[in-house]
Amino acid sequence: GQSLEQPSEVTAVEGAIVQINCTYQTSGFYGLSWYQQHDGGAPTFLSYNGLDGLEETGRFSSFLSRSDSYGYLLLQELQMKDSASYFCAVPNQAGTALIFGKGTTLSVSS
Amino acid sequence: DGGITQSPKYLFRKEGQNVTLSCEQNLNHDAMYWYRQDPGQGLRLIYYSQIVNDFQKGDIAEGYSVSREKKESFPLTVTSAQKNPTAFYLCASSTDSTINEQFFGPGTRLTVL
Repeated sequence: GQSLEQPSEVTAVEGAIVQINCTYQTSGFYGLSWYQQHDGGAPTFLSYNGLDGLEETGRFSSFLSRSDSYGYLLLQELQMKDSASYFCAVPNQAGTALIFGKGTTLSVSS
Repeated sequence: DGGITQSPKYLFRKEGQNVTLSCEQNLNHDAMYWYRQDPGQGLRLIYYSQIVNDFQKGDIAEGYSVSREKKESFPLTVTSAQKNPTAFYLCASSTDSTINEQFFGPGTRLTVL
């Protein structure tokens, strides 16, 4: 089956750079996605990597290495509003639904 | 505006009662999903549907049921057989070709007393 591992908590200060890692085990691979969820809110899609390399979207970037079954989300110029939980996700074996990691809680302090 | 609505935001029920959570989308998405989230946990897949009148069990389907009679609607019933139903329930949708990018509703927080 599919499984994902990510750190449970990360702390950083405003203006810093933080990297949230995700390792996965899958029977088939259809890409790695990242979602952000503020406390009590709905998850929102951040990025998707289907191929190896870096995808950049503003202050956020996401990286994938399929040979290492590893990816990360890079957040630059951290702001207080970036305090949230971040989830990596991969499709299930059939490629019909997503399986989510347990999430990484990012706390940004001033 | 296109989006997903879930109602109500907070729901209280007595133990032993069935309860149905609403999920409606006007994004014209074919696929819809139900997730359960417990404190400090990730999202666990309950049921999903790729097309009207068809749905599949996710990882934790026991004690839940769904229907998909219309493309826009995917209600979830939490039955009395669900041993620990208190949780945050999230509904999502996507096109069937881009399941990696899902759009989520605001969620329903169910408390069973």
